[in-house]
Amino acid sequence: QSALTQPASVSGSPGQSITISCTGTSSDVGSYNLVSWYQQHPGKAPKLMIYEGTKRPSGVSNHFSGSKSGNTASLTISGLQAEDEAVYYCCSYARAGTWVFGGGTKLTVL
Amino acid sequence: EVQLVESGGGLVQPGGSLRLSCAASGFTFSDYWMSWVRQAPGKGLEWVANIKPDGSEKYYVDSVKGRFTISRDNAKNSLYLQMNSLRAEDTAVYYCARLYSFGWFDYWGQGTLVTVSS
Repeated sequence: QSALTQPASVSGSPGQSITISCTGTSSDVGSYNLVSWYQQHPGKAPKLMIYEGTKRPSGVSNHFSGSKSGNTASLTISGLQAEDEAVYYCCSYARAGTWVFGGGTKLTVL
Repeated sequence: EVQLVESGGGLVQPGGSLRLSCAASGFTFSDYWMSWVRQAPGKGLEWVANIKPDGSEKYYVDSVKGRFTISRDNAKNSLYLQMNSLRAEDTAVYYCARLYSFGWFDYWGQGTLVTVSS
């Protein structure tokens, strides 16, 4: 049950695009189409942004998108906005009823 | 509107016990897997435990196996986490979350803080 690997921080200017990677193994990210992404603002509960690797829940802006290749999933935010500044976590099913999160990536909008 | 409201957190000494509760509303509680996810101060999210809609299957992260027990009361729309033999490293905000279609955590509570310290 090792945590998924995410960069500690990323940054971008308003209007730019950024991508956050999430690297797992063939036992989690690589084996299941069950990667999800969460946004967390300071002092708030996490919010679901992407599920099943690429799908957006109702109400989530279409400038958030997800993808997966092999053992690595990615979250792309296009057209950065100030309110996108937050910590982003990936999560994957990891067999036998267990789940694993990434360490989190702090996004700074310059 | 889906709502999850945790309660029961507080300060407890190492080796002590605490029972967290999560009151659910706005959906048919008995239809869904439910989970506990925790976040140590200044740290990332860590999945803790899941329970099947009928309570017949439960899964735990290795670090809490044998110490924590997840349970539910579908008649009361409530989820619980019994925490025994608490350690300093269990200090965290504990979130109750709905595990939709055994695939993703689509709704979260506001969290309850558990502090293990002497």
